[in-house]
Amino acid sequence: ETGVTQTPRHLVMGMTNKKSLKCEQHLGHNAMYWYKQSAKKPLELMFVYSLEERVENNSVPSRFSPECPNSSHLFLHLHTLQPEDSALYLCASSQDSAARGVETQYFGPGTRLLVL
Amino acid sequence: TQLLEQSPQFLSIQEGENLTVYCNSSSVFSSLQWYRQEPGEGPVLLVTVVTGGEVKKLKRLTFQFGDARKDSSLHITAAQPGDTGLYLCAGHKLNTGFQKLVFGTGTRLLVSP
Repeated sequence: ETGVTQTPRHLVMGMTNKKSLKCEQHLGHNAMYWYKQSAKKPLELMFVYSLEERVENNSVPSRFSPECPNSSHLFLHLHTLQPEDSALYLCASSQDSAARGVETQYFGPGTRLLVL
Repeated sequence: TQLLEQSPQFLSIQEGENLTVYCNSSSVFSSLQWYRQEPGEGPVLLVTVVTGGEVKKLKRLTFQFGDARKDSSLHITAAQPGDTGLYLCAGHKLNTGFQKLVFGTGTRLLVSP
């Protein structure tokens, strides 16, 4: 148990569906992250939020829409996805996104997404 | 693109064997971390190395950061089935406006009894 929870753990959706992934951290951290983990690629950073403000959008297509209503919750809204978007989506949090020192990112268990 | 290449990609060994995983880049990182990810879970931090040439030990695991801070290695002595998992190195960049981790390509380890 890392203190970061994600729901749902598994999701199957059609290309015309709209769904949302949820992440919650119970660590009192100020920064939250979305990553995509595909079978044949390294972990890719998608979005970074610091104190509920988005500080990085790593060239992610607009069919992925993040939302951070407060520092404990992070959502990823999905709309008209493609089969190649099937992957494990990981959420992480850290104390601070702009720390000068090295910080630890704590990861949730991920949502396994399959787009048909 | 700051690419971190890990080798080998896959490793299947018997319990009790030793192994080394390598993480190489052409970029310099201010620090480097190693994570282990088990099936159905997210990555969990094992260690952070900060100084070039630094060596850290965590029980049977030995981590080294290259002198030029471009590469790292993970050595496991007398591997056990519980060491099975995906090992990820991640380089840390501080010169951007936020903390960014660049993850390696991963090494999948299977230790058989």
